[in-house]
Amino acid sequence: DTGVSQNPRHKITKRGQNVTFRCDPISEHNRLYWYRQTLGQGPEFLTYFQNEAQLEKSRLLSDRFSAERPKGSFSTLEIQRTEQGDSAMYLCASSLVATQTRQYFGPGTRLTVT
Amino acid sequence: QKEVEQNSGPLSVPEGAIASLNCTYSDRGSQSFFWYRQYSGKSPELIMSIYSNGDKEDGRFTAQLNKASQYVSLLIRDSQPSDSATYLCAVISGGYQKVTFGIGTKLQVIP
Repeated sequence: DTGVSQNPRHKITKRGQNVTFRCDPISEHNRLYWYRQTLGQGPEFLTYFQNEAQLEKSRLLSDRFSAERPKGSFSTLEIQRTEQGDSAMYLCASSLVATQTRQYFGPGTRLTVT
Repeated sequence: QKEVEQNSGPLSVPEGAIASLNCTYSDRGSQSFFWYRQYSGKSPELIMSIYSNGDKEDGRFTAQLNKASQYVSLLIRDSQPSDSATYLCAVISGGYQKVTFGIGTKLQVIP
């Protein structure tokens, strides 16, 4: 069990650019979650996969955001035409269906949009 | 009304005292309840989970759940300076097990 990993750990980009983040969950975990966290707030749910199926997507997620988990293993989160308001920590978590609820978080990717 | 409410704090307690952290939630159908600890700049770390009414103890931590009052709390006994962190309440509800976090309560343990 090597834990959940996320890459990159930090990303600085200019407004209007596209960015992509990667999450590698714990290998046997079939659920994968993406959250966004801004300073002073709790993690905000973005989307969730069970295996390769995206089961729920937050209404807060604009069309500029897209997530994939093509083979039910790693996942990518892409933000197109970034805005300064997208600056945040993007957290990935994974879990097993059997335990349903215990989520293991990765270290996060901190995005700064200038 | 926010789905999960917490006082943002800071809550300051002296070393060795009991810290009491509270959380209320709005969805009566919520099924599972968690407390995460988050140090500044780090990702959340699960410290307690509770699923049924009553108390659950693990070392210095006790989680309490009252579904009728839609209230969950975390007690930290013998608080240590290393307990200083933000404590996030998380609630799971809905068919897809959506997790909703509160804003977090910042705890400061004063040596």
